[in-house]
Amino acid sequence: AQSVTQPDIHITVSEGASLELRCNYSYGATPYLFWYVQSPGQGLQLLLKYFSGDTLVQGIKGFEAEFKRSQSSFNLRKPSVHWSDAAEYFCAVGPYTGTASKLTFGTGTRLQVTL
Amino acid sequence: GAVVSQHPSWVICKSGTSVKIECRSLDFQATTMFWYRQFPKQSLMLMATSNEGSKATYEQGVEKDKFLINHASLTLSTLTVTSAHPEDSSFYICSARDSSGRADSPLHFGNGTRLTVT
Repeated sequence: AQSVTQPDIHITVSEGASLELRCNYSYGATPYLFWYVQSPGQGLQLLLKYFSGDTLVQGIKGFEAEFKRSQSSFNLRKPSVHWSDAAEYFCAVGPYTGTASKLTFGTGTRLQVTL
Repeated sequence: GAVVSQHPSWVICKSGTSVKIECRSLDFQATTMFWYRQFPKQSLMLMATSNEGSKATYEQGVEKDKFLINHASLTLSTLTVTSAHPEDSSFYICSARDSSGRADSPLHFGNGTRLTVT
């Protein structure tokens, strides 16, 4: 069975500081990996995704993530955090096949940004 | 970009009544949509997969008679919470994927519906 672990429930960083959110996954085949962001009371917005190829993927809002197969990780990074980045971040894994994707989500990491 | 519209964004209902939540793909067709439930400060739990023109597929532990799903067209799926009780209060989110898109096209999520049962 597929699973996603986000070890950090809550992270606080200062505006302008760098950020890394951890994500570890368990999946029996080649995974699709995603990072989504959720603002309070809102749905999810896709930040970036990894399917194959270059293990460092670039996303929107200046985010990037690196797929490390040997570590089963897909950590999200941003060099300089903005106050508007405060939100809940979810890592997700899904099957690398088909036209529909059942995603398994991690428990999320809440990011707080101090000014 | 692809947009998924979910309505209503919030609803309050009395215990014992039923509530219908709509999920529409506005600029693409979706043969499959997904319904998630999210408890406060927790992750999204997949409830069911909605299939256009056929029965929904429910995840283990989800009552199909409680959460009725109808996917009558390629752009609309509805979730009806029947005989709602306070424990059904939650944040419900739908997602959809462009059926005509590439195999690696991502899921698009609605903005969710906050259901409060009093």
